[in-house]
Amino acid sequence: DAGVIQSPRHEVTEMGQEVTLRCKPISGHNSLFWYRQTMMRGLELLIYFNNNVPIDDSGMPEDRFSAKMPNASFSTLKIQPSEPRDSAVYFCASIGTGSAGELFFGEGSRLTVL
Amino acid sequence: GENVEQHPSTLSVQEGDSAVIKCTYSDSASNYFPWYKQELGKRPQLIIDIRSNVGEKKDQRIAVTLNKTAKHFSLHITETQPEDSAVYFCAAPLTGTASKLTFGTGTRLQVTL
Repeated sequence: DAGVIQSPRHEVTEMGQEVTLRCKPISGHNSLFWYRQTMMRGLELLIYFNNNVPIDDSGMPEDRFSAKMPNASFSTLKIQPSEPRDSAVYFCASIGTGSAGELFFGEGSRLTVL
Repeated sequence: GENVEQHPSTLSVQEGDSAVIKCTYSDSASNYFPWYKQELGKRPQLIIDIRSNVGEKKDQRIAVTLNKTAKHFSLHITETQPEDSAVYFCAAPLTGTASKLTFGTGTRLQVTL
């Protein structure tokens, strides 16, 4: 398996623009997580899905953030409208019932909002 | 929810010396404690984990110890090498959700020659 695949790897956009980040979890993994990493706040859990269903979105900072998982192999995290304080690295991660607890991270999407 | 505190935030050691990073957690029901290593510009990757039914686990130069009574666990790296330089994160799960991890704030380890 190629691991968790995220796109884009880098995105630079202007304030007010819509940003869509994409993630393909490891095949067979039934839980998917979106994390945000910044120097100030470290690794923050934004939302996680179990069997494509959002279980906990308490970490989503504002209504500007939304996430979907239309099927077991694809998820999106959308920010609309984007703001400079959204600049961060966004990681997607997945875990399967047979993974003994190991969370597999994607390479991350580095977002810069000007 | 789970609260995880990690110390120190930065650690500098000479090559060959040992490094110890400590974490405390708040949820006494937590039963799984992983450690992740993140090299510069890379993704976090699991390096070792421990479950609450054991007090210590070793894997070559790294070891993790767990004290459930005190609710703290530690990462020990012996005979440090330059490639150990990275940010290390501890984590603990929210009760009832074994996979929903709360991460510590990270420790930047620098191994100098």
